[in-house]
Amino acid sequence: GAVVSQHPSWVICKSGTSVKIECRSLDFQATTMFWYRQFPKQSLMLMATSNEGSKATYEQGVEKDKFLINHASLTLSTLTVTSAHPEDSSFYICSARGQPGELFFGEGSRLTVL
Amino acid sequence: QKEVEQNSGPLSVPEGAIASLNCTYSDRGSQSFFWYRQYSGKSPELIMSIYSNGDKEDGRFTAQLNKASQYVSLLIRDSQPSDSATYLCAVNLGNQFYFGTGTSLTVIP
Repeated sequence: GAVVSQHPSWVICKSGTSVKIECRSLDFQATTMFWYRQFPKQSLMLMATSNEGSKATYEQGVEKDKFLINHASLTLSTLTVTSAHPEDSSFYICSARGQPGELFFGEGSRLTVL
Repeated sequence: QKEVEQNSGPLSVPEGAIASLNCTYSDRGSQSFFWYRQYSGKSPELIMSIYSNGDKEDGRFTAQLNKASQYVSLLIRDSQPSDSATYLCAVNLGNQFYFGTGTSLTVIP
């Protein structure tokens, strides 16, 4: 299957700082990428749909000014958690749609805000 | 009504048995159907995709799709302890993917 790489895998930061997470499709071009967060023992929660060259579409209740998404190329989308607080600590996972329409996930990024 | 519904389990089966996981979806326009496996602390991994009615087999895994009943299932034959994970059913509708809450499977040695 297609490969989606996410970086960093782990990040610990102080409250009030910003953290950037990168998501790359390594062997295919992805016009659409998705960002999820997942709390322990809970299901995936879609945060936003990222479209190359245009603004992301955020799900209801997700603050677009706090979770900045940029999809500048067909192989890279970034999620920046701005002014992070302890309640933002979570497992963030990106995914990209390959061919023939299957969805592939990155390895995930575990964020801990102190 | 949720787009995709799964029995959350937990489901426990003895090693070597068949594990049966079920999923229903609400929108008849759904086009593609997927099963993902998620180990604890890891991201989901695609294990099966199915696009048309009937069965699709891949090794020990068989996906079954019945569009008339809006039902997708995953059978795991000769279950192994390494199959213990949460299994997510996903449905594609347009440009969106809808996930069930997952079924936790434990294979007992």
